Amino acid sequence: QSALTQPASVSGSPGQSITISCTGTSSDVGSYNLVSWYQQHPGKAPKLMIYEVSKRPSGVSNRFSGSKSGNTASLTISGLQAEDEADYYCCSYAGSSTSYVFGTGTKVTVL
Amino acid sequence: QITLKESGPTLVKPTQTLTLTCTFSGFSLSTSGVGVGWIRQPPGKALEWLALIYWNDDKRYSPSLKSRLTITKDTSKNQVVLTMTNMDPVDTATYYCAHHDYSNGDFDYWGQGTLVTVSS
Repeated sequence: QSALTQPASVSGSPGQSITISCTGTSSDVGSYNLVSWYQQHPGKAPKLMIYEVSKRPSGVSNRFSGSKSGNTASLTISGLQAEDEADYYCCSYAGSSTSYVFGTGTKVTVL
Repeated sequence: QITLKESGPTLVKPTQTLTLTCTFSGFSLSTSGVGVGWIRQPPGKALEWLALIYWNDDKRYSPSLKSRLTITKDTSKNQVVLTMTNMDPVDTATYYCAHHDYSNGDFDYWGQGTLVTVSS
């Protein structure tokens, strides 16, 4: 099972919106609405930001939103803030034999 | 309040077996829909899912590492143990355990992680 493909880096200015893509296959992202997104600051554990493609856990800013089309899921951060600078990972269920696969990770830089 | 903490050796030699323990609180692994997973991250690299154990003792493993991994649970002690055999320097990584919600398919609470270095 290969990792989901994400862009290595995305950048934006404060206040702007950015979108991170997460491309999988018809065996994972394309087949299940069990895509989640994680934010990881340096030296810290990942934090759940989005689950089930587009749902936000309690306490996560509504500036974070998720969507999916076909085999590609996306995370959009609107009103970019300095604190959003971090690494972001997607994760998808991939069926009973493979279970879960993470993305390659995207470094978000706030200019 | 859900918390998880990983424990185990910080240094193992090549070919040795690694045993990591995840001790948690704030939930029970006997509750329907609950699981605990292990995820690792080599220095400067991406997250990699390793294994999952569910409330009903169903176990899932990464296909690429399945032959080397064993995951078990001790519900009475609130612990999950992961063993990985035949360790290699490429297995050097921070190993995380995380609470898993079966219905949501996510890892919603994470431990702080423990760095394991494989070196002779």
